[in-house]
Amino acid sequence: DSGVTQTPKHLITATGQRVTLRCSPRSGDLSVYWYQQSLDQGLQFLIQYYNGEERAKGNILERFSAQQFPDLHSELNLSSLELGDSALYFCASSVEGTGPGEQYFGPGTRLTVT
Amino acid sequence: DAKTTQPNSMESNEEEPVHLPCNHSTISGTDYIHWYRQLPSQGPEYVIHGLTSNVNNRMASLAIAEDRKSSTLILHRATLRDAAVYYCILRPHNDYKLSFGAGTTVTVRA
Repeated sequence: DSGVTQTPKHLITATGQRVTLRCSPRSGDLSVYWYQQSLDQGLQFLIQYYNGEERAKGNILERFSAQQFPDLHSELNLSSLELGDSALYFCASSVEGTGPGEQYFGPGTRLTVT
Repeated sequence: DAKTTQPNSMESNEEEPVHLPCNHSTISGTDYIHWYRQLPSQGPEYVIHGLTSNVNNRMASLAIAEDRKSSTLILHRATLRDAAVYYCILRPHNDYKLSFGAGTTVTVRA
């Protein structure tokens, strides 16, 4: 158990809909990262937040957005969903946004868009 | 991003050592070498990282070549639980995202 929790575990929704994925980092970790894992693209970095502020952005679509709240939990919002958005979404956290910063990953949310 | 090259797959017998190579010929002086693994149906798991010197922890050892253009992750006694995809990742000191490649799929035979 990494200490990172993600809800829900599974999500099935239709094209065009909007969903919110939630992540609670390990106690004391200020940085939260979101990754997408699909069969054709592998594991891809989406976005990082550090203590409530956006720190880095990766291949995140404009239809996707994220935020980190004062209690440090984070939400990833996916809108206008397409079939190709079906994937595993992982959240990770680390102690700081600097240094070697090993990341601890949650169990993931499996999103299926039908 | 600096790239890494790993074999697609490796097989090992239980309780034998596993040596996983990683080539990173374009590594820069401030890139950390990280290893993560992903067990089936789980999120990635941190294994070990290093900068210049060899590193040991309870999970594995990391041997880094003197010129830093390659490294080897060593699992000293493979168990069935070590069957996973192992990712070698270079992480610049000022860039905290992890860029995953295809990794090496390790199979452990009982």
